[in-house]
Amino acid sequence: GNSVTQMEGPVTLSEEAFLTINCTYTATGYPSLFWYVQYPGEGLQLLLKATKADDKGSNKGFEATYRKETTSFHLEKGSVQVSDSAVYFCARGGSWVKAAGNKLTFGGGTRVLVKP
Amino acid sequence: SQTIHQWPATLVQPVGSPLSLECTVEGTSNPNLYWYRQAAGRGLQLLFYSVGIGQISSEVPQNLSASRPQDRQFILSSKKLLLSDSGFYLCAWSVKETQYFGPGTRLLVL
Repeated sequence: GNSVTQMEGPVTLSEEAFLTINCTYTATGYPSLFWYVQYPGEGLQLLLKATKADDKGSNKGFEATYRKETTSFHLEKGSVQVSDSAVYFCARGGSWVKAAGNKLTFGGGTRVLVKP
Repeated sequence: SQTIHQWPATLVQPVGSPLSLECTVEGTSNPNLYWYRQAAGRGLQLLFYSVGIGQISSEVPQNLSASRPQDRQFILSSKKLLLSDSGFYLCAWSVKETQYFGPGTRLLVL
């Protein structure tokens, strides 16, 4: 079945450091790929997405590139801030058919803590 | 624009009591709706999804049930809560693949 694997946290960084969170997915079909962010006590927010190979999603200084050859969608940010402290979830889509539920498969989440 | 609401935000309930959590979506029609649970410090577990009024699919056997009485209303229920039902419950909606999440309900069963 579909699966998503992301690096376990917590990841602890200093402010202005470079952040990378690795994410790999099972290669069944050509799924859409997503990164969600969850700030403490809140629901998940869509951070960025990519729908086909070589697409780059970007938002708020974060980037991720859909790499079909390595089945990866690693999240990067060049200079993190304390406000980036959160849990980050990688996800892949499944069937395009609405009646099938359009379910997403999520990774286990990576907690990121940015210290001043 | 679309918005999603969940209530209550926080709930403390005794073991054996009933539960009703509500989720409503505004600004879209015929969405897919989802209930997830997130245990403390853990990932997301999909509990139920619905592709239309009265249509409920259960992902895991459990003590909970879901209903969709209206197009944009999704309810999570239990007749008798267990300690293990404690967690953060998230509702989400989608029209295509992208899911959009509500603010969540934190449930503590004592």
